[in-house]
Amino acid sequence: LAKTTQPISMDSYEGQEVNITCSHNNIATNDYITWYQQFPSQGPRFIIQGYKTKVTNEVASLFIPADRKSSTLSLPRVSLSDTAVYYCLVGVLSGYSTLTFGKGTMLLVSP
Amino acid sequence: KAGVTQTPRYLIKTRGQQVTLSCSPISGHRSVSWYQQTPGQGLQFLFEYFSETQRNKGNFPGRFSGRQFSNSRSEMNVSTLELGDSALYLCASSLEAQREMVGTDTQYFGPGTRLTVL
Repeated sequence: LAKTTQPISMDSYEGQEVNITCSHNNIATNDYITWYQQFPSQGPRFIIQGYKTKVTNEVASLFIPADRKSSTLSLPRVSLSDTAVYYCLVGVLSGYSTLTFGKGTMLLVSP
Repeated sequence: KAGVTQTPRYLIKTRGQQVTLSCSPISGHRSVSWYQQTPGQGLQFLFEYFSETQRNKGNFPGRFSGRQFSNSRSEMNVSTLELGDSALYLCASSLEAQREMVGTDTQYFGPGTRLTVL
């Protein structure tokens, strides 16, 4: 069971780079790591997914070290609209499992 | 292409009642998952349906059940409601039928149904 741990909250200013780390010590060999963003009263929105090393798309980068026990979501040059809760999700490959998001990190971006 | 839709958006029930929530996935998506979100517990996985069969299940009591129809639409039912069932219930659909587990696929979430139990 891959439990995840994230910081409860983070503060940043517009234009800065933000890095949010998720710990998942018991990640299994075939697990993927996925990050979602959620605004109030909306469903989570997919940001990025990766298995190992580095993945980059138009909105974020995901860094995963060789041991895969943690991952870091990197948001370049954040804006006020990036204020949201960010969730880390680790997939568990088994026939019966509890699949839970991390507690989420509340990112507050200030002017 | 329309996104995931959920009905109703808001619901108020009393303890002991039962409730049915509906989810229509993105056209072509065959996997539908349900989550419960509360301030204290965050997002918790309830179950996932694929081709009308429950493929994965989270750690929730038997009062929580679901089903999926041949058109991939899904319903979730909660019987004998308790105060602690008050939550935002989210539905998510995904496309890739070959994936073994929900967590390895890209899920698209609906806006949720806000259930309040009095």
